[in-house]
Amino acid sequence: ILNVEQSPQSLHVQEGDSTNFTCSFPSSNFYALHWYRWETAKSPEALFVMTLNGDEKKKGRISATLNTKEGYSYLYIKGSQPEDSATYLCAFRFTSYGKLTFGQGTILTVHP
Amino acid sequence: EPEVTQTPSHQVTQMGQEVILRCVPISNHLYFYWYRQILGQKVEFLVSFYNNEISEKSEIFDDQFSVERPDGSNFTLKIRSTKLEDSAMYFCASSEQYFGPGTRLTVT
Repeated sequence: ILNVEQSPQSLHVQEGDSTNFTCSFPSSNFYALHWYRWETAKSPEALFVMTLNGDEKKKGRISATLNTKEGYSYLYIKGSQPEDSATYLCAFRFTSYGKLTFGQGTILTVHP
Repeated sequence: EPEVTQTPSHQVTQMGQEVILRCVPISNHLYFYWYRQILGQKVEFLVSFYNNEISEKSEIFDDQFSVERPDGSNFTLKIRSTKLEDSAMYFCASSEQYFGPGTRLTVT
């Protein structure tokens, strides 16, 4: 049974703070690790797809790293803004076009 | 920016009734998926669909569930006889990158 875990479950930060969350996943049979941002009443939005050990990806103030040997990925947000408030989901895939196995998400609230 | 749409946004039904959830995926994509999230739980995989056939399904996807792409554009999930435990947010995805906004199904 694949288990993908995210921590922390929720996080409250002040505007301007930098923050990071963790996603842990099985280190065997790895194909890809996805990060999504999900705002209430909207579609989950794809942030990153990470496939190679040591990958680092960046999109504006958000970046992510990947360690497939030890089975974890970090998502970083630099200088958090209230509009970054959302649930951040990671999902593991072990084949091309295979199903995604999701973590439980980290709920981020950025206070002005 | 391409987008996946789903209708209805909210469906309330009585236990035992049939429901059809509709999705319009991105037209030139080949792989489509249904996921659901029961309140307070993880998003979980239901079924994947490729070349007009189911390519993978989970244990949840039993005989009460079916999917089809009847007209080459809509992608539907049917639940034949709903149970209380089917209450969840149902998401359609077009490839692994594009998710719809979800249909909240409430079974009473």
